[in-house]
Amino acid sequence: GQNIDQPTEMTATEGAIVQINCTYQTSGFNGLFWYQQHAGEAPTFLSYNVLDGLEEKGRFSSFLSRSKGYSYLLLKELQMKDSASYLCAVTSVSGGYNKLIFGAGTRLAVHP
Amino acid sequence: SQTIHQWPATLVQPVGSPLSLECTVEGTSNPNLYWYRQAAGRGLQLLFYSVGIGQISSEVPQNLSASRPQDRQFILSSKKLLLSDSGFYLCAWAQGHQETQYFGPGTRLLVL
Repeated sequence: GQNIDQPTEMTATEGAIVQINCTYQTSGFNGLFWYQQHAGEAPTFLSYNVLDGLEEKGRFSSFLSRSKGYSYLLLKELQMKDSASYLCAVTSVSGGYNKLIFGAGTRLAVHP
Repeated sequence: SQTIHQWPATLVQPVGSPLSLECTVEGTSNPNLYWYRQAAGRGLQLLFYSVGIGQISSEVPQNLSASRPQDRQFILSSKKLLLSDSGFYLCAWAQGHQETQYFGPGTRLLVL
């Protein structure tokens, strides 16, 4: 079967660093995405990892270990506007097509 | 650049009434198109995807149907809404099935 686990909620302080973990089990793995979703809005793309290692993009970095079925999203120099849900999604090949399977998301609250 | 539109933004409908949600994409051709539903506090559930005009794949049996009458138009429909159809409906596009999916602004549906 397919399963994606990420913490339900996290809190952090403005200016700090936070790491949001995601573990997955899926067949036909073909990459992992992180999306940010502010309350009441659509998800926006943050990062994509298909190879093991760290991808850095400004204040955000994403890490993947395919052998461990594990990824994390690292947010540095936290800002109040980073308060949002962070969705981990894995691509799974089925019927010849890639499909995105989403986790339930991690709600991050950034406090002053 | 590519843009994706959804309407209406919000909708309140009585149980048993029909539904039609529309999604259009601009600035690209032959995109893959997707319909997701997000129930309150839960992850995104893939409902339908389409790789071309008239080609629809359904992910879960349900009260809904989808159609793609034009290359960049994707419609989600129901003949009779149920209370359980309430949720946040998101349309997404990708250029090819291995590419990043980009989401539209969503339609918030409340069935009473």
